[in-house]
This record gives sequence, C-alpha cells and structure tokens, in this order.
Amino acid sequence: NAGVTQTPKFRVLKTGQSMTLLCAQDMNHEYMYWYRQDPGMGLRLIHYSVGEGTTAKGEVPDGYNVSRLKKQNFLLGLESAAPSQTSVYFCASSYSSDSNNEQFFGPGTRLTVL
Amino acid sequence: GQNIDQPTEMTATEGAIVQINCTYQTSGFNGLFWYQQHAGEAPTFLSYNVLDGLEEKGRFSSFLSRSKGYSYLLLKELQMKDSASYLCAVRRVGTGGGNKLTFGTGTQLKVEL
Repeated sequence: NAGVTQTPKFRVLKTGQSMTLLCAQDMNHEYMYWYRQDPGMGLRLIHYSVGEGTTAKGEVPDGYNVSRLKKQNFLLGLESAAPSQTSVYFCASSYSSDSNNEQFFGPGTRLTVL
Repeated sequence: GQNIDQPTEMTATEGAIVQINCTYQTSGFNGLFWYQQHAGEAPTFLSYNVLDGLEEKGRFSSFLSRSKGYSYLLLKELQMKDSASYLCAVRRVGTGGGNKLTFGTGTQLKVEL
C-alpha cells in the first residue's frame, strides 16, 4: 500500500495563478483533511471531508476550495494564489471519527507564491 | 477556542530520558495525540490518550491528566534518530463530524552525543 500520496511535491506560483493539489489514499479511509504548516504556527486545518461528496471548512479555509468526488481523492484548489499562501501543505486521512483513529499524513507539498 | 502550549526547543543527551510537556485549554476534549515529525517529512503517529494515566509503547510513553489539561511524552534511551519535532494535538468533539485535531506548534528535540 502506498498510504497517502500527494502531488506535486514542489511548486512555485506567481501571485494570481491557480493550481490544484491532489491527495490520494489507498486505505479506504472515510475522512480526509488538508493542513498547512508554517514556521511557528503548527499544523492548521484548512478543509476536511467526512466522506465522498462531502466537504467542510476548517480553521483557515479562506482562499482555498476542495472537492471529494471520489472516496480515495481529496483535491485542494487555490483560485488566485497569494504570497500568504506560501507554505507546506499536508494531506491526511483517517478511517473513521472514532476517537482513537490516528490520522495518516502524506509527504507534503511545498508551495511558494511569488 | 483552544490553546495548546509546548516548549519550543529541548536538548538532551543520547541514552538519557527526556520529558516533553503539553498543556491545553479546550472545551469538549476527546483525546490527545502525539506525533513525531522529522525535518522535511510528514508527521507520524506516536501515541494516543483519552483517559487519565500512562500509556507505554516501547521507548515512548505518554501521560494525560484531563483535570489539569496536561500531557507529557516521555522518551527513554534516547537515540540520535529521535532528533525531531514532537507535536501535541487535541481532539475535540464538534459539529460536522470528523476527527478534527488542533495541533500545538511542536517541540524541536535535539539529541546530542
């Protein structure tokens, strides 16, 4: 099993450009999450999904959109990138909402917006 | 809201024991996780506590006191490979479902010879 994979691994954008980050998991997990990690800020939840076809806002959703058309995929979109969105983005998944189900993280996408 | 505090940095010697503390303030507490994150890599799960007490897993142990809003991660027989950031994360019961976690900023542990 590949676990959680993310593409791309690195990306440089200019302000105003758009892009989509792809997350895929092969563990048949119901729940998927997108986080950003910035120095001194810790991991912050952007959006999450509790199942195919569902999405919900997290702590810092502004400037991002998501879609979960297939259970195994969770896409994060930036419609008009801003320098403040320079960050490392992590996708994660978990089997269910049971409290002891840990989240499995992908390797991250390092995004720079110029 | 939620507030999670951990020390920013710690240094310890190979073979020693180190304790990394985490304090939190939250409503609807429903579990506390510890993750390890090496530089440039993804966080990986270490431990989970939802009831008061100590959970032991090999060289790693985690303790929780819900009444004090306090947890610690104990690492024994430190190895150089334990140099990493250790993230405390609190799960909170909330609307909308999901196993949402709020993370602390992490404690950067450096293990020296």
